[in-house]
Amino acid sequence: GAVVSQHPSWVICKSGTSVKIECRSLDFQATTMFWYRQFPKQSLMLMATSNEGSKATYEQGVEKDKFLINHASLTLSTLTVTSAHPEDSSFYICSAPTGTYEQFFGPGTRLTVL
Amino acid sequence: AQSVTQPDIHITVSEGASLELRCNYSYGATPYLFWYVQSPGQGLQLLLKYFSGDTLVQGIKGFEAEFKRSQSSFNLRKPSVHWSDAAEYFCAVGEKGGSEKLVFGKGTKLTVNP
Repeated sequence: GAVVSQHPSWVICKSGTSVKIECRSLDFQATTMFWYRQFPKQSLMLMATSNEGSKATYEQGVEKDKFLINHASLTLSTLTVTSAHPEDSSFYICSAPTGTYEQFFGPGTRLTVL
Repeated sequence: AQSVTQPDIHITVSEGASLELRCNYSYGATPYLFWYVQSPGQGLQLLLKYFSGDTLVQGIKGFEAEFKRSQSSFNLRKPSVHWSDAAEYFCAVGEKGGSEKLVFGKGTKLTVNP
C-alpha cells in the first residue's frame, strides 16, 4: 500500500520556539493532505486540509497563525507550530488520500513543549 | 453534520474469544465507512472499508464489518481474537462527493487477556 512518512517522530522544544513537522507521500502524489491532532486517549481531530498550490483550509477553532501549513509540492506538506506552548503538546498525524476516499496515515509526531 | 459514535470506550476479551466493536454513524445519505487500528504511539492502519455493494466487508487480520443501513451501524467483528489485536480501534465516516475529510469516532480500546 501507499506510504506516508512523518519527520520527526518526536520532538521536545522550549516554550516560545517554533517546530516544523514534515509529512511526505513516498510513492504517490497527493494534492491534498490532512493534519490531525490527537490528545492522549482521545480521537483524532482534523485541524486543517493542506492543498498543494493554494492556502490550507482550517477547521473551526484552529488558529491559522499558530499552525502554519505549507504544501510545497505534490509529495510534501509541512505543519509549523509557531511560538509553541505546553498546551500545544500533542500527537500530530498527517494523512494523504490516494483517491476513492481512502487515506493513508503517517506514523505521527509526538510534540512535547516544555 | 456527520458524526460517529463508538459506544464502548474500553472492551476486554480473552484470547480466542469473539469480538464485536460497535459503530453508529449519523449521515443523510450513504457514507463511506472505515475501521482503523492504532497501536500505542503509532499512526493508523486501515482494517477495512465500505463504499457500496456487499454490506459484509472483509478486511485484514481476519476482521470483517457489516454495514446495516437500517441501524446506521458498521460494527467490526472478529471470530477469534489474538493477543496482538490489543490496540485502539477507530471507526470513521467520509462524505460521498465531498472533500475526502474523515470524521472519527472517539475510539474503543481493546484489551486482550491471555
